Amino acid sequence: EAGVVQSPRYKIIEKKQPVAFWCNPISGHNTLYWYLQNLGQGPELLIRYENEEAVDDSQLPKDRFSAERLKGVDSTLKIQPAELGDSAVYLCASSPYSGYEQFFGPGTRLTVL
Amino acid sequence: KNEVEQSPQNLTAQEGEFITINCSYSVGISALHWLQQHPGGGIVSLFMLSSGKKKHGRLIATINIQEKHSSLHITASHPRDSAVYICAVTFDGLTFGKGTHLIIQP
Repeated sequence: EAGVVQSPRYKIIEKKQPVAFWCNPISGHNTLYWYLQNLGQGPELLIRYENEEAVDDSQLPKDRFSAERLKGVDSTLKIQPAELGDSAVYLCASSPYSGYEQFFGPGTRLTVL
Repeated sequence: KNEVEQSPQNLTAQEGEFITINCSYSVGISALHWLQQHPGGGIVSLFMLSSGKKKHGRLIATINIQEKHSSLHITASHPRDSAVYICAVTFDGLTFGKGTHLIIQP
């Protein structure tokens, strides 16, 4: 069974440019998470989806970050415009239901110059 | 908000040593997770437990709900065990510790 797929794996952009990350969760998993992980830190939740509904986006900086999960499967996380401080690893995870074990994708390492 | 503390933050040991990583949290939880993250790699779930003890190969995880504490043990450690080990608790979402950076030297 395929795991959580993320792309791209690496992205380097200049500040003020837009960037988008894509996540394909494990088939059948209703819950999808986007996390941000800074170097030497644990992941921090950005947004959690139950099917296509964003049920927890309290930590998402909505002035520049947006996310969508159309049809309750794939999800896209966008940053516009990117800032230097956005350099981090963006992780996607999925689970069958909220509160169950989460399965993580490989992450996208973003570098903003 | 649940506070998750891990110790030690960094640990260097010799191959074959018995390793213990600790995790404590501040509020009652429904589950605790131990995760492994290799440099440049994604996160792999090692254990999810809500009581007692679980064992998988050379890895053992225990949890004491009353004391709000969990430990991850590695027996007969090997250089390939070198990674960051992260404790996370399920309480109104998933809250992560900062991780323990483990290096096993040959």
